[in-house]
Amino acid sequence: GQNIDQPTEMTATEGAIVQINCTYQTSGFNGLFWYQQHAGEAPTFLSYNVLDGLEEKGRFSSFLSRSKGYSYLLLKELQMKDSASYLCAVRYSGAGSYQLTFGKGTKLSVIP
Amino acid sequence: GAVVSQHPSRVICKSGTSVKIECRSLDFQATTMFWYRQFPKQSLMLMATSNEGSKATYEQGVEKDKFLINHASLTLSTLTVTSAHPEDSSFYICSARGGGERSYEQYFGPGTRLTVT
Repeated sequence: GQNIDQPTEMTATEGAIVQINCTYQTSGFNGLFWYQQHAGEAPTFLSYNVLDGLEEKGRFSSFLSRSKGYSYLLLKELQMKDSASYLCAVRYSGAGSYQLTFGKGTKLSVIP
Repeated sequence: GAVVSQHPSRVICKSGTSVKIECRSLDFQATTMFWYRQFPKQSLMLMATSNEGSKATYEQGVEKDKFLINHASLTLSTLTVTSAHPEDSSFYICSARGGGERSYEQYFGPGTRLTVT
């Protein structure tokens, strides 16, 4: 089966940096995604890692270590609009296709 | 980025009736579409995976006779909740994946909030 763990909630200050960790155990690993989801809305794609290392995209960076089953999402220069849930999702091979399993999400609150 | 639409965005229905939710990929051909369900304060749970022209693959615990999925074309998939009950009230989200260079990405629709009274 697939198992994904990430913290339930985090709070950070506007302008600061926050790191959201995600650990996973899965068979047939084929990539790790981070999504942002505002309350009542569908998730939006943030990043994708399939190889070890850091991927940087503006204020957001994502890191993957496949040997450790570990990833993190780094958000810099936090803004109030970054308050949202951040979902770690692992893609794996199954049922003849690739599927995503989502973690329960980390609710980030950005305070002034 | 690619656009996926869902219709309706909200629906309220009476217990025992059926509801159809449409998911469309607007600017790409979706070889695979996924249907998720999300209860309040919980993560997305995959219900089923469908490839165009073939039967959907349902996740364990999801009743295929209750949640009918049709993926008749490369741009349209439908989910029909048959004989809906209050416990089926949830946020239903579809996502679509195309081919080519960005086939690793799944694009999510805006979701449909179903309330069964």
